[in-house]
Parts: sequence; C-alpha cells; structure tokens
Amino acid sequence: KQEVTQIPAALSVPEGENLVLNCSFTDSAIYNLQWFRQDPGKGLTSLLLIQSSQREQTSGRLNASLDKSSGRSTLYIAASQPGDSATYLCAVRPGTGFQKLVFGTGTRLLVSP
Amino acid sequence: DVKVTQSSRYLVKRTGEKVFLECVQDMDHENMFWYRQDPGLGLRLIYFSYDVKMKEKGDIPEGYSVSREKKERFSLILESASTNQTSMYLCASSPWQGLLSGANVLTFGAGSRLTVL
Repeated sequence: KQEVTQIPAALSVPEGENLVLNCSFTDSAIYNLQWFRQDPGKGLTSLLLIQSSQREQTSGRLNASLDKSSGRSTLYIAASQPGDSATYLCAVRPGTGFQKLVFGTGTRLLVSP
Repeated sequence: DVKVTQSSRYLVKRTGEKVFLECVQDMDHENMFWYRQDPGLGLRLIYFSYDVKMKEKGDIPEGYSVSREKKERFSLILESASTNQTSMYLCASSPWQGLLSGANVLTFGAGSRLTVL
C-alpha cells in the first residue's frame, strides 16, 4: 500500500530565505506527483504536477523535483515571502487504481516578515 | 473562474442526524471526489464518481453514502452522524482523461467543516 510522508511537519523561516520541503513515497510505481497549497480553513490549490517521466517542474518561485526510483520529491521555494505561509501537501497517483491520489499529511510553513 | 462550490462552510449537527453535504462544479468534469481531512491523518478518500449515477468506494466509505444524479453535483450523505465524523470535508473534481492518463489535476472546493455533537 502506497504511503506518503512529509518531513518536517512544520517549518518556520524568516522572509527571503530559500527553503526545501520534502515528500517521500514507498512505492515508486506512480503516474505522477502533485504539490498543493492549503491556506487555513480553506481547500487545496494545485501548485505543480510532475509526470512520472519528468524530473522537475517550475512555476515562478517554485520548483518541484521528482526522483521516482528513490521515492522522493522536493518542493523548492525561492526568496520566501510571508504570503507563502500555508500548509503544503504532496500527493501521488499510484500506478494502479482509478485516478485516486494518496496524500501526505503536509508541512505547515510560516514565513516571518 | 472555474469553481468547485461546497454549499456549507460550517455545520453543527447532533448525533444521529442525517447530514447532506453538497458539492457543485461548473467545469463539466466527469470525476468527482469526497475526502475528509483530519489532523495527523491527512486527506482520506471517502467516495468518488466518474460518471452520473456511478460511484466507487474510497478508502474509508463506512458510515457514508453518495449521490450523483447530475454531472455537476456530487452529494455526500451521513445517514446517522456520529461524533467520529467530525471533520473537514473536501470535494474535488477532475476531467476524465482515461485510466492510464497521468494528467489529472484536481480542483478542490473550499471545504465544509462539520461538527457532530
């Protein structure tokens, strides 16, 4: 059974720092991996989706990488801002099963001014 | 702007009540999902649907049922609410892109926080 782990559970950094969030999964047979952002009390917003054949995806200050063989993904945030404060979740779509995503428990990020 | 709308942001119900959570999407998506989110457990899939009147159990369907009478609407039903169903419920939708497609970006609603007393 696919399991997704995110470490650390919480992270606090000063504004301007570059930071890396980690996601690991137990079964490398995946179709894709997706990073989401969740603001307190809100739904999830998709940030980046990496197909299994890709190594990375970039959107603005965000860069997500995927190493399928080792079961790892990282989300790199450059020049962090207070507006980046949120919970970041990763989710994998396993190689079997109908479009069902398996989510990690998230990393809660606080960027202080 | 495309949207997934959950009708109730906050609900308070009593044990044993029947509870309906409604979700509507305006993107003509085939797939719709209901998740619950609990601290330390992350998001867990309750039910999903890939077509009108079609439904499939997710990982934790016990105590829940769903209804999809129209393509745009997917309802989650708690037949007899219990305190352990206190949670944040999230609805999501995605376009049908085939079982083997890797491109399945989910669009989520804002969530419905249910408290069962």
